[in-house]
Amino acid sequence: NAGVTQTPKFRILKIGQSMTLQCTQDMNHNYMYWYRQDPGMGLKLIYYSVGAGITDKGEVPNGYNVSRSTTEDFPLRLELAAPSQTSVYFCASSYRLAGISYEQYFGPGTRLTVT
Amino acid sequence: GQQLNQSPQSMFIQEGEDVSMNCTSSSIFNTWLWYKQDPGEGPVLLIALYKAGELTSNGRLTAQFGITRKDSFLNISASIPSDVGIYFCAGQRGNAGNMLTFGGGTRLMVKP
Repeated sequence: NAGVTQTPKFRILKIGQSMTLQCTQDMNHNYMYWYRQDPGMGLKLIYYSVGAGITDKGEVPNGYNVSRSTTEDFPLRLELAAPSQTSVYFCASSYRLAGISYEQYFGPGTRLTVT
Repeated sequence: GQQLNQSPQSMFIQEGEDVSMNCTSSSIFNTWLWYKQDPGEGPVLLIALYKAGELTSNGRLTAQFGITRKDSFLNISASIPSDVGIYFCAGQRGNAGNMLTFGGGTRLMVKP
């Protein structure tokens, strides 16, 4: 298993540009998440999905959009990039069944700079 | 949004020393997790705790789920240079979103 994979690893955007951060997991996890990590800080949840076709906002959703058309993929879209979105973005996935939650596994991250 | 209070923020220790770090919260969690993050990588799960009072070991690592369900600690015994990294605690309420709340991290530096 590759686990959780993310592309690209690095990206520099100009203010106002848009881009999609890709995330794929091959563990058949039903839950997927997007976090951002600012320098010296912990991770903050942007959006999450409990299954294909279902998404919901996390703690810091403004400026982002997500979709979940398949179990494996959970792309994160930035429509109008702003300097405040300079961060490292992590995708994660986990399994939940019959009310039991299992651990989240993280991808390697995408380092995004907006100038 | 709430973050867990994790301390210390950083530690610089001698190889072979033991390390202790902890997390506290004003609210209850059903699961506590400890992750390690190496530079340029995503967090990797070290230990998961599911029950209040639970004490779990993973090699030289030992973690405990506080009896009040509002705190947890992680100990590393006989530290080695590869223990260097940032350690994060995370609390999970087990609600429908399965969401994690993260601490601010403890940066560990080990002097050989």
